Amino acid sequence: GAGVSQSPSNKVTEKGKDVELRCDPISGHTALYWYRQSLGQGLEFLIYFQGNSAPDKSGLPSDRFSAERTGGSVSTLTIQRTQQEDSAVYLCASSSRTGATGELFFGEGSRLTVL
Amino acid sequence: AQRVTQPEKLLSVFKGAPVELKCNYSYSGSPELFWYVQYSRQRLQLLLRHISRESIKGFTADLNKGETSFHLKKPFAQEEDSAMYYCALSKGTGANSKLTFGKGITLSVRP
Repeated sequence: GAGVSQSPSNKVTEKGKDVELRCDPISGHTALYWYRQSLGQGLEFLIYFQGNSAPDKSGLPSDRFSAERTGGSVSTLTIQRTQQEDSAVYLCASSSRTGATGELFFGEGSRLTVL
Repeated sequence: AQRVTQPEKLLSVFKGAPVELKCNYSYSGSPELFWYVQYSRQRLQLLLRHISRESIKGFTADLNKGETSFHLKKPFAQEEDSAMYYCALSKGTGANSKLTFGKGITLSVRP
């Protein structure tokens, strides 16, 4: 596709369950980011992948959160033992190494609701 | 660590009024500053960046290193400007390219 694709668009789960959120970046983009968007908190950086380099995991809020990027393309964000405070919109973004610094292209997000 | 502060959560103006969305940052180096916008039911997208010194949709933003500010301005607001606006900072390229965002401000332009 032409843009960043995320799935599912909406996910409702029960507290304690695990969830997986998927991101398919723009073809050829080497950098991939996950952010969390919640009301009143703005956009919170979670994790950053750049090519084959070790990911920057400095924004992951706890060890319940993890992410993988397979083959330098698709990424999966996994949240284990979900808590109500995990409810938010999870945004994925990608950028081209040759693109202007900071020009991130965002997906539509995955809205997670933990009951 | 770098930080981006948007002191207001909501700005409501009438159509044709001037708009200024405030953004202050803290970073000891030379940052790159951006404004991103999210219109209703649309994706978050880049509005403008300070290095380009461009005007997009009538909006401009000047980086003031002395005041560590990057306020977004438009002389005459339009209803279609109603959206959520985020100020963001990047430390540079590669591993430093991740953006630190402010908490955002909702701009509401009334007819």
